[in-house]
Amino acid sequence: GQQVMQIPQYQHVQEGEDFTTYCNSSTTLSNIQWYKQRPGGHPVFLIQLVKSGEVKKQKRLTFQFGEAKKNSSLHITATQTTDVGTYFCADPGGHDYKLSFGAGTTVTVRA
Amino acid sequence: DADVTQTPRNRITKTGKRIMLECSQTKGHDRMYWYRQDPGLGLQLIYYSFDVKDINKGEISDGYSVSRQAQAKFSLSLESAIPNQTALYFCATSSPELHNEQFFGPGTRLTVL
Repeated sequence: GQQVMQIPQYQHVQEGEDFTTYCNSSTTLSNIQWYKQRPGGHPVFLIQLVKSGEVKKQKRLTFQFGEAKKNSSLHITATQTTDVGTYFCADPGGHDYKLSFGAGTTVTVRA
Repeated sequence: DADVTQTPRNRITKTGKRIMLECSQTKGHDRMYWYRQDPGLGLQLIYYSFDVKDINKGEISDGYSVSRQAQAKFSLSLESAIPNQTALYFCATSSPELHNEQFFGPGTRLTVL
């Protein structure tokens, strides 16, 4: 699969603040998935975006797919300690359905 | 998810030893995957299988082999373990009916001394 780049690698956030993590690809993506991995846990699927410019919300999480389908973002509002973990974007690739993961953004929260 | 199980959960071994990691699933999914996770590198695909007789190499298959004994079982072997294979290994399953969302097992932490 093609490589997706995530920034930042680490995000230290004050509880209650907002932050955004970004996922970028050099080529057009058919769709993109986001996963969350809690410390000591395993990745858990959050969402899949398919359409150009698509925006989906899950409570305080807002996911967006770029108009050119080359980038995606995850915005978290009013960060809570439960948001701690690593967030990965993943390119499902073409017909072979192999996920190509970004390196992840590891989020820590200061209470 | 409890539907995807991995054994062992932790393993310490020595260089040159043969190691097998097991993965079982009760989700009824045809597709199964093995990943390794290293700090700062995300997850890298080792091997994947879409059916019992289907085996495909991923990004980093060298030094590994797999066996898909049944729809529900997918095992990963390290023929001769080396220290740089120390990592966290995840098994995952997926189904095209679920947009290929992947369901991960709890992971196996492998240390090669």
